[in-house]
Amino acid sequence: DQQVKQNSPSLSVQEGRISILNCDYTNSMFDYFLWYKKYPAEGPTFLISISSIKDKNEDGRFTVFLNKSAKHLSLHIVPSQPGDSAVYFCAASGLDSGGGADGLTFGKGTHLIIQP
Amino acid sequence: EPEVTQTPSHQVTQMGQEVILRCVPISNHLYFYWYRQILGQKVEFLVSFYNNEISEKSEIFDDQFSVERPDGSNFTLKIRSTKLEDSAMYFCASSGRARGEAFFGQGTRLTVV
Repeated sequence: DQQVKQNSPSLSVQEGRISILNCDYTNSMFDYFLWYKKYPAEGPTFLISISSIKDKNEDGRFTVFLNKSAKHLSLHIVPSQPGDSAVYFCAASGLDSGGGADGLTFGKGTHLIIQP
Repeated sequence: EPEVTQTPSHQVTQMGQEVILRCVPISNHLYFYWYRQILGQKVEFLVSFYNNEISEKSEIFDDQFSVERPDGSNFTLKIRSTKLEDSAMYFCASSGRARGEAFFGQGTRLTVV
C-alpha cells in the first residue's frame, strides 16, 4: 500500500534548466509534506517543506507546490546545477498516516541526473 | 552545524546474533526516530520516541526490535535475533518538534550473513 508515490524512478535534466519532481499521495490525513535529497552512502538531507494550509513554499532555487484537491505535490529546482544530481524523496506526515503520529511516510524516490 | 551521528557505519553480523545500533541525536531535539532502507527500496519508518517512550511504531518494528535512550545523549536500536532480511541501511533521525522536519544521520549499513 503505497501512500506516497513517486512514479518517475529517474529524471534527466540539462544544467541550467528547470527540474520538476512529482509526488502523489493517497492518504487525506497527510497535512505536512517534505522533500529530502539523498546522496549515495549518506542519510537523507532535508530540503524544503510545506504545510497543507499553503499551496506554495519557496526557498532559493527550490519551490514546492501543493495541490490538495489532486493530492499532488511537486518540487521545482531552478536553475538546475550539477550538484543537484541525487535521489529526491517526497515524504508526508499526519495523524494516522501510517508513519506514526509524527513519523514520515516516504516515496520510493526519484533519481535526478543533471546533464552538463 | 549540529548533526546526527551514527555508529558504526557498517556492521556485519551472523544470523541470530543481537546487534545494537547507536545514534547521537542533535542535542536540543526531543523527538527521535529510526528508519531503514533495504537496498533498492524506499525509506521505511520503524519507530518514533518521545519523552522516554515509544510514541509510534510500524508493523516492521516487531518484538525483535527495541529502542532505548540510556543516557541524555544516546539513542539505540537493538535487534535481538537478526534475520537475513534485516540487512539494510538503518537511519536515525531527530527533530525539534513533533511532525516537523527530521534530520538524519549518515546511516549504519547492517549486513546479516
